[in-house]
Amino acid sequence: GESVGLHLPTLSVQEGDNSIINCAYSNSASDYFIWYKQESGKGPQFIIDIRSNMDKRQGQRVTVLLNKTVKHLSLQIAATQPGDSAVYFCAERGKLIFGQGTTLQVKP
Amino acid sequence: NAGVMQNPRHLVRRRGQEARLRCSPMKGHSHVYWYRQLPEEGLKFMVYLQKENIIDESGMPKERFSAEFPKEGPSILRIQQVVRGDSAAYFCASSPGQVTDQPQHFGDGTRLSIL
Repeated sequence: GESVGLHLPTLSVQEGDNSIINCAYSNSASDYFIWYKQESGKGPQFIIDIRSNMDKRQGQRVTVLLNKTVKHLSLQIAATQPGDSAVYFCAERGKLIFGQGTTLQVKP
Repeated sequence: NAGVMQNPRHLVRRRGQEARLRCSPMKGHSHVYWYRQLPEEGLKFMVYLQKENIIDESGMPKERFSAEFPKEGPSILRIQQVVRGDSAAYFCASSPGQVTDQPQHFGDGTRLSIL
């Protein structure tokens, strides 16, 4: 069946460093991906999305890279801040198949 | 511009009771999705509704669970005869149209606890 999954359950980075969160998907027909951030006690918050006709998309301090050959996408956060501490999910369109999140811990 | 509103935020029920979870989508959104999240897990799709129609309920348990999105008022997720295993956070999301390349926007969820 379809699945998405993140590579690491937890990522710990120093404040100011860059963070990279990786995600793999299984459905080669997937054409739209979304990254969400979920803080404790809250619902997922949209961060950035990317369509399969793109390899890269940039937002404010975030960049998503899509490698369709190996069915992999990553979320890069520049100059990570304490406020970035949360669980990050990648999801593919449709019914939004969520993988297990990666918990980002930012050390001051 | 209010986001997706869910209520109650916390709901406590005893085994055998009924739970009703409400979701008001963002203004202008006519599509609603319900997800369930168990502790330390990702969200699992349950059901996708448009006004007065269930589009996809492939993630809904076959018994005790139902959902509706009436012409007027919020979407309701109803769980009858709740059991301990129903304890979870239930999230609602909405989008303006059929999910194509538009992100869903989520509410802050209802945390259901079964005693």
